[in-house]
Amino acid sequence: DIQMTQSPPTLSASVGDRVTITCRASRAIAVWVAWYQQRPGKAPKFLIYKASTLESGVPSRFSGSGAGTDFNLTISSLQPEDFATYYCQQYNSYPRTFGQGTKVEV
Amino acid sequence: QVQLQESGPGLVKPSETLSLSCTVSGDSIGASFNYWNWVRQSPGKGLEWIGSISYGGITKDNPSLSGRVTVSSDTSKNQFSLRLTSVTAADTAIYYCARVSSNGGFDFWGQGTLVTVSS
Repeated sequence: DIQMTQSPPTLSASVGDRVTITCRASRAIAVWVAWYQQRPGKAPKFLIYKASTLESGVPSRFSGSGAGTDFNLTISSLQPEDFATYYCQQYNSYPRTFGQGTKVEV
Repeated sequence: QVQLQESGPGLVKPSETLSLSCTVSGDSIGASFNYWNWVRQSPGKGLEWIGSISYGGITKDNPSLSGRVTVSSDTSKNQFSLRLTSVTAADTAIYYCARVSSNGGFDFWGQGTLVTVSS
């Protein structure tokens, strides 16, 4: 299985901050990475696919980058509704696997 | 708009079989080039992919679940289902159904249903 390791586990930030979450794959997966946002008590929300392509309707302050084994999710200016947990996920091979999550908190 | 809705018992006894269904609206599970998935999240933990079924009926499951998983579909009801046998307390989780489309990500999710394994 491909392991996805996210860092940091928790990120303390303020409204307006630029934040970056890192995800590292245990082996090269080209650009086959997606990112999700999960608010408490809700299902995950699809943000980004193919490492850097924004899903329709997702605000442009979200961006993704990377290829191979190292990937980033960046929020350019944190908004109150962005305080949530973020997950990366690989779809290069089965079984599909997720990172352990990064909680963005105040 | 695509919508998914999970249904099934919220309490299952140890060693028994967990059975859930997912009803899809806004898309046809047998006619589109999509994959229909089950993902779970243990309390306070991360996300785990369980298994999937394609539009053509091809299934895949997570080897970490030791062959206990069956994913099936009923195109006449536009539903797909999960069976997980020989459950233990470790299978207590929120179970989500989700769609994977051509972009590769889980783009639509159900609201999730909590299943507790307890006697």
